[in-house]
Amino acid sequence: EPEVTQTPSHQVTQMGQEVILRCVPISNHLYFYWYRQILGQKVEFLVSFYNNEISEKSEIFDDQFSVERPDGSNFTLKIRSTKLEDSAMYFCASSTGLTDTQYFGPGTRLTVL
Amino acid sequence: KQEVTQIPAALSVPEGENLVLNCSFTDSAIYNLQWFRQDPGKGLTSLLLIQSSQREQTSGRLNASLDKSSGRSTLYIAASQPGDSATYLCAVRQDTDKLIFGTGTRLQVFP
Repeated sequence: EPEVTQTPSHQVTQMGQEVILRCVPISNHLYFYWYRQILGQKVEFLVSFYNNEISEKSEIFDDQFSVERPDGSNFTLKIRSTKLEDSAMYFCASSTGLTDTQYFGPGTRLTVL
Repeated sequence: KQEVTQIPAALSVPEGENLVLNCSFTDSAIYNLQWFRQDPGKGLTSLLLIQSSQREQTSGRLNASLDKSSGRSTLYIAASQPGDSATYLCAVRQDTDKLIFGTGTRLQVFP
């Protein structure tokens, strides 16, 4: 069964450094998402991406965040200058359509020191 | 602003019991509701998706119902097993792309 995959599984970085989190969505899906979950808190929406552009973003998704689909398979989330409060589990998801099931990847645990 | 609440926050039951997990949402104008399972430190596994026009969905021992007008959904797990131990999350989608998640119910099924 097709799955969303994410790399790395765990990323440790120093405050102020740039990180890129990578995702490979399910191949025939058209909508892509990033969510995050701070330890002990709810899963929060960051951004959605469709047709090679951002479709919607939350207030969390400020100028330090960016997303890109550099080729036909990868979907990346870049955090330009990480802060301590960016430490969280970041989940990538994809779906065939807006009303369809969103399938989540296993997550990348980001630790900012 | 949509708020999604799950009760109880934690549940511990003996193996074999049938159980019900609850999800409430404050704004009934939803497009669909999705139930997920999350194992500790892991990703979210989609269990069931209910569209706003549907009343229930079934998958194996799982049955999810939706009462949109009252802002409630329930996830029924029949004949629970230790392998069902996980956190169960519900999430609603309104007229935007995002899912809005509840805080989850942590389920433990003991032998």
